[in-house]
Amino acid sequence: EAGVVQSPRYKIIEKKQPVAFWCNPISGHNTLYWYLQNLGQGPELLIRYENEEAVDDSQLPKDRFSAERLKGVDSTLKIQPAELGDSAVYLCASSPGVGDEQFFGPGTRLTVL
Amino acid sequence: AQSVSQHNHHVILSEAASLELGCNYSYGGTVNLFWYVQYPGQHLQLLLKYFSGDPLVKGIKGFEAEFIKSKFSFNLRKPSVQWSDTAEYFCAVFRPGFQKLVFGTGTRLLVSP
Repeated sequence: EAGVVQSPRYKIIEKKQPVAFWCNPISGHNTLYWYLQNLGQGPELLIRYENEEAVDDSQLPKDRFSAERLKGVDSTLKIQPAELGDSAVYLCASSPGVGDEQFFGPGTRLTVL
Repeated sequence: AQSVSQHNHHVILSEAASLELGCNYSYGGTVNLFWYVQYPGQHLQLLLKYFSGDPLVKGIKGFEAEFIKSKFSFNLRKPSVQWSDTAEYFCAVFRPGFQKLVFGTGTRLLVSP
């Protein structure tokens, strides 16, 4: 069974530039999560989808971050414009339902210069 | 606010030593508890989980954890560590009412051969 796929694995951009991350969850998983992980910290939830609906985006900085999950499968997380403080690892995870074990992708390491 | 505490940020052990990593959370009520592990260069993966029943949970690779409700703790243990256990370990707590998985800050374990 294929795991959660994320791309790109690494991204280096200059501040004020836009950036997008893509995630393909495990087939059949209705719940999809985007997390932010700073160095030396645990993952922190940015947004949770149930199918194509964003049911928890309370931690998503909506002035510059946006996300979508069209057709309830793949998802894209976008930052526009990026700031220096956005440098971190962005993780995507999926689960059959909320509260179940979450399966994580390899993450995208973003460096903003 | 939900809080998950991992008191040991860095642990160094020799092979065959016993391991115990602490995890405490700051609220009562029903919780689902998880330990995730991230080996160098790999993605987060589940080590073990507790939803209900026997508070002593066995996971992969000889790990186990004990849920002590009165102490709000879910400590991870292994009787004899191996060099291959070098990794970062994250405790995570899911509270059904909040529908959110909250991670601790992680513990970096280094096992010397």
